Amino acid sequence: GQQLNQSPQSMFIQEGEDVSMNCTSSSIFNTWLWYKQDPGEGPVLLIALYKAGELTSNGRLTAQFGITRKDSFLNISASIPSDVGIYFCAGSTSGTYKYIFGTGTRLKVLA
Amino acid sequence: GAVVSQHPSWVICKSGTSVKIECRSLDFQATTMFWYRQFPKQSLMLMATSNEGSKATYEQGVEKDKFLINHASLTLSTLTVTSAHPEDSSFYICSARVYGNEKLFFGSGTQLSVL
Repeated sequence: GQQLNQSPQSMFIQEGEDVSMNCTSSSIFNTWLWYKQDPGEGPVLLIALYKAGELTSNGRLTAQFGITRKDSFLNISASIPSDVGIYFCAGSTSGTYKYIFGTGTRLKVLA
Repeated sequence: GAVVSQHPSWVICKSGTSVKIECRSLDFQATTMFWYRQFPKQSLMLMATSNEGSKATYEQGVEKDKFLINHASLTLSTLTVTSAHPEDSSFYICSARVYGNEKLFFGSGTQLSVL
C-alpha cells in the first residue's frame, strides 16, 4: 500500500539536543497526525494538524503542516531519554478518514 | 482523552485455528474503526475500515474471507483471523475515530503468533 516517506529513518542524539524530522508525500493531504510508538504498544497521538501552514505545539513538541500540503515536520526540543521510540506521521485526505502512515523515524537518545 | 481498549494483548495459536481480536472504544462512540497490521520494524499498513452496522471495506490485497470484521455496536469491532497460518503472525492494531473529529486513537495492539 501507499506510504509516506519519513526522514531521517533513524537518529541517535544526545540528551538535551533538539530533534527535527519530516514527512513527505506525492499526494496532498488535508490532515496530518503525528504519533509516537513504543515497542509492543499501539501508537499514541502527539499532535494533529488541520490547515496548511499551521504550527501546533504540545509541550516540547512542535509540528507544522507544510504550505504545499504535501509535507509535515515535527520538532522535539531539549530531548530526554523517554523520547526514545518510533515517530510516525499519518496523512488523510478530506472525507475519507483513512490515514496513510509514514515509514517512521526511530529515535534513540543518549544520556 | 479517547480510550481504545484492545484484547487480547498477545495470542499464540496453532496453524489452522481461528483467532478473534476485540477492539472497544471505552469513553466514546466510534462509528468508524480501522484495523492495521504491523510487521517488525515496519510501518502500519491499513487492512480494513470497519463501519458500524455495515460491511467492512477492505484494502487492496487483504483477503476479506480470511480477516473477518464485525462492527456490531458503536463501541465494539472484532477482527477474526480464520484458518491462521504462520505468515499471519504479526502485530494487529485497531483504531477508532471520534465522530466529528479527524483524530485517530489506537488500541494497545495484539501480537499474534501462529505455530
